[in-house]
Amino acid sequence: GQNIDQPTEMTATEGAIVQINCTYQTSGFNGLFWYQQHAGEAPTFLSYNVLDGLEEKGRFSSFLSRSKGYSYLLLKELQMKDSASYLCAVRDRDYKLSFGAGTTVTVRA
Amino acid sequence: ETGVTQTPRHLVMGMTNKKSLKCEQHLGHNAMYWYKQSAKKPLELMFVYNFKEQTENNSVPSRFSPECPNSSHLFLHLHTLQPEDSALYLCASSRLLESVDTQYFGPGTRLTVL
Repeated sequence: GQNIDQPTEMTATEGAIVQINCTYQTSGFNGLFWYQQHAGEAPTFLSYNVLDGLEEKGRFSSFLSRSKGYSYLLLKELQMKDSASYLCAVRDRDYKLSFGAGTTVTVRA
Repeated sequence: ETGVTQTPRHLVMGMTNKKSLKCEQHLGHNAMYWYKQSAKKPLELMFVYNFKEQTENNSVPSRFSPECPNSSHLFLHLHTLQPEDSALYLCASSRLLESVDTQYFGPGTRLTVL
């Protein structure tokens, strides 16, 4: 089976930077996704990495190292609306997505 | 903005009831998925349909029965459920099963089994 680990909770101050790490072991690799999920809402797509390196999208960046089975999501200039659960998901050789349990980020004023 | 809708949003049912969850996508996608999300647990893939054909049944108990009449609609028929089946059930779609595109999720149905 797949094994995807990420921290359960993180807390940061408004305006700060938070880095959410994700490590994975999967059968084959066809890309890594990050999703944001606010309480009671659908997960929404944030980023996709399939090659090593950093992908930047405004305040959010995602990094991938395939050799290390490691990714992180970097949230900059945190805003209160960024308080949510962040899900790391890896697509395997059969194109199935396996998810981590999610990291709940709380942004404090 | 979401092109994937789910009804009902909330459902409470007894263990002897039969109910159905509905998912509809307006994105022109060809692959659709059912996931189960329990508190503090990862999303669990339940079923995958690709061009209306079921391609994945992730060892789901037979009390959950999916149906995909066309590429835009997906149902999950429920009967004789157990309290541990209480969870958020999420539907998702993607353009193709084997494309690099992401999956788009619906808002989910919060199911409570009494």
